Amino acid sequence: GNSVTQMEGPVTLSEEAFLTINCTYTATGYPSLFWYVQYPGEGLQLLLKATKADDKGSNKGFEATYRKETTSFHLEKGSVQVSDSAVYFCALIGSGNTPLVFGKGTRLSVIA
Amino acid sequence: KAGVTQTPRYLIKTRGQQVTLSCSPISGHRSVSWYQQTPGQGLQFLFEYFSETQRNKGNFPGRFSGRQFSNSRSEMNVSTLELGDSALYLCASSLDGSTAFYGYTFGSGTRLTVV
Repeated sequence: GNSVTQMEGPVTLSEEAFLTINCTYTATGYPSLFWYVQYPGEGLQLLLKATKADDKGSNKGFEATYRKETTSFHLEKGSVQVSDSAVYFCALIGSGNTPLVFGKGTRLSVIA
Repeated sequence: KAGVTQTPRYLIKTRGQQVTLSCSPISGHRSVSWYQQTPGQGLQFLFEYFSETQRNKGNFPGRFSGRQFSNSRSEMNVSTLELGDSALYLCASSLDGSTAFYGYTFGSGTRLTVV
């Protein structure tokens, strides 16, 4: 079945540091890929998405590129802020209206 | 426009009781999915409804059930509550059947505590 593997956290960075959160997936066909973010006490917010190979999703300074050859969708940001502290989830939807499948989540803490 | 609304936000129930959670999707959205979030298991898919029909179902026992009404509002019910049912229950809606393109919009969740 479809699955997502993302790097274990927690990740602690200083403000203005570079962020990478690794995400790889297993799926048949051509899945759509997503990054969601969850702030403390809240639900999930869609951060960015990519629906086909080589697409780059971007939002609020975050980027991720859909790499079919490496089955990856790594999240990057050039300069993190304290307000980016949250849990980040990589997710996919496979072919044919299958459910959204999530990775375990990576907790990011940014310190001033 | 209004987002996905889940009620109640917090709930405390006793083991053995049953509970009903409610979700109102974004206006015009016809797909509603439910997820259980726990620290140990992460986000697990419960079920999805589309136009009042269950379209997908996760690997949960029959104590977990759901339904969707003609206005797309959805409810999920858990009977005979167990301590392990304590979790954040998240509802998500999507515009229509093209969930792969549109993705999902999530509500803030209902925090259920079973004592």
